[in-house]
Amino acid sequence: DTAVSQTPKYLVTQMGNDKSIKCEQNLGHDTMYWYKQDSKKFLKIMFSYNNKELIINETVPNRFSPKSPDKAHLNLHINSLELGDSAVYFCASSHPYRRDGFYEQYFGPGTRLTVT
Amino acid sequence: AQSVTQLGSHVSVSEGALVLLRCNYSSSVPPYLFWYVQYPNQGLQLLLKYTSAATLVKGINGFEAEFKKSETSFHLTKPSAHMSDAAEYFCAVSDRDNDMRFGAGTRLTVKP
Repeated sequence: DTAVSQTPKYLVTQMGNDKSIKCEQNLGHDTMYWYKQDSKKFLKIMFSYNNKELIINETVPNRFSPKSPDKAHLNLHINSLELGDSAVYFCASSHPYRRDGFYEQYFGPGTRLTVT
Repeated sequence: AQSVTQLGSHVSVSEGALVLLRCNYSSSVPPYLFWYVQYPNQGLQLLLKYTSAATLVKGINGFEAEFKKSETSFHLTKPSAHMSDAAEYFCAVSDRDNDMRFGAGTRLTVKP
């Protein structure tokens, strides 16, 4: 009963290729995220979607394009991969912010992307 | 914009010793604060969260954290470290709009 799942777990590819990472959550959350964790473990938000609508889009190259076919899925497509894209990418989900509380985010296991 | 600073990228303690991981935050409004743990090759798991109900927050695995507004701190502690506590720990802050910002992380090593 995985709450937030990502595929693939590992992805090794060459520079210039296009690849996708899939994320699915079965928690009934409306909000989903993509984070990038670099080799120094620094975790940075890339995108956030609420009910299939983009709400956060940090300074990320436009080679990265999230796609949300429904509120349980948020896929990340990356065009023209570069060496600097090598990192671990985490998907997460949560309920949306409300005045009476902030809901924690639940993370997937991560996808380790290696670009050679 | 909100942010957190984790003091010490690496903390090493002996098994049974006190664990203290430091986190200071910056936020223009009362913040929501979190501690997450990341075991090797795994995703992040929530340890505990502060959402203004009580300043001393108890989490899983014997961890707790105290919110101190005067010091803008949210340090994580555990009275007695176990070998299984060895992991990367992240402090995070959010004020609105599901925009959560993470600290740089602190790697905890536990020596036998």
